[in-house]
Amino acid sequence: AQTVTQSQPEMSVQEAETVTLSCTYDTSENNYYLFWYKQPPSRQMILVIRQEAYKQQNATENRFSVNFQKAAKSFSLKISDSQLGDTAMYFCAFMKEPGNQFYFGTGTSLTVIP
Amino acid sequence: ETGVTQTPRHLVMGMTNKKSLKCEQHLGHNAMYWYKQSAKKPLELMFVYNFKEQTENNSVPSRFSPECPNSSHLFLHLHTLQPEDSALYLCASSRSTSGRTGELFFGEGSRLTVL
Repeated sequence: AQTVTQSQPEMSVQEAETVTLSCTYDTSENNYYLFWYKQPPSRQMILVIRQEAYKQQNATENRFSVNFQKAAKSFSLKISDSQLGDTAMYFCAFMKEPGNQFYFGTGTSLTVIP
Repeated sequence: ETGVTQTPRHLVMGMTNKKSLKCEQHLGHNAMYWYKQSAKKPLELMFVYNFKEQTENNSVPSRFSPECPNSSHLFLHLHTLQPEDSALYLCASSRSTSGRTGELFFGEGSRLTVL
């Protein structure tokens, strides 16, 4: 079975600063996807960034980037130049390919402080 | 029009009531999902439908009954629920469950309170 662990229940960051959210996972699969989802207070969860396990290059989406360490089974999210709109719950998720099961962590509540 | 729409947004029901949650997706996807979100717990997958066929029932109690009449609509029928069933119920969709599933698209959720 796959498990996803987010060890930081809550974090805060000053506006314009950089913050890193951690995520580790456990799997015996070789082909899989990793995701970071954001759930703002309005509750709709949206995709922030996605990483294919076979790609060595870390994914980047504007201010969001990941540090994917496959051997260590680590998948952290770095948010640069934090903005007030980044305040949300962030969920790390794992999906094996092909598949229909997404495994989620317990989430990290991030607060951006003005 | 948002991609995945859930109604109602809030629902309060007694343990003897029967109610339904509705989900509709406008993304042309073929797979739909029900998740249960409780505080401080990972999202729990409940049901998966692919091309209207149920492909996953994650040991969900029979007081939750899903229905998928077509690839765009998904219902969760509720009856004789327990207070511990109070949670946020999230609907999601994806292209399919075979091959490259891609990402999940979520609705805003239905907040259920069982008295």
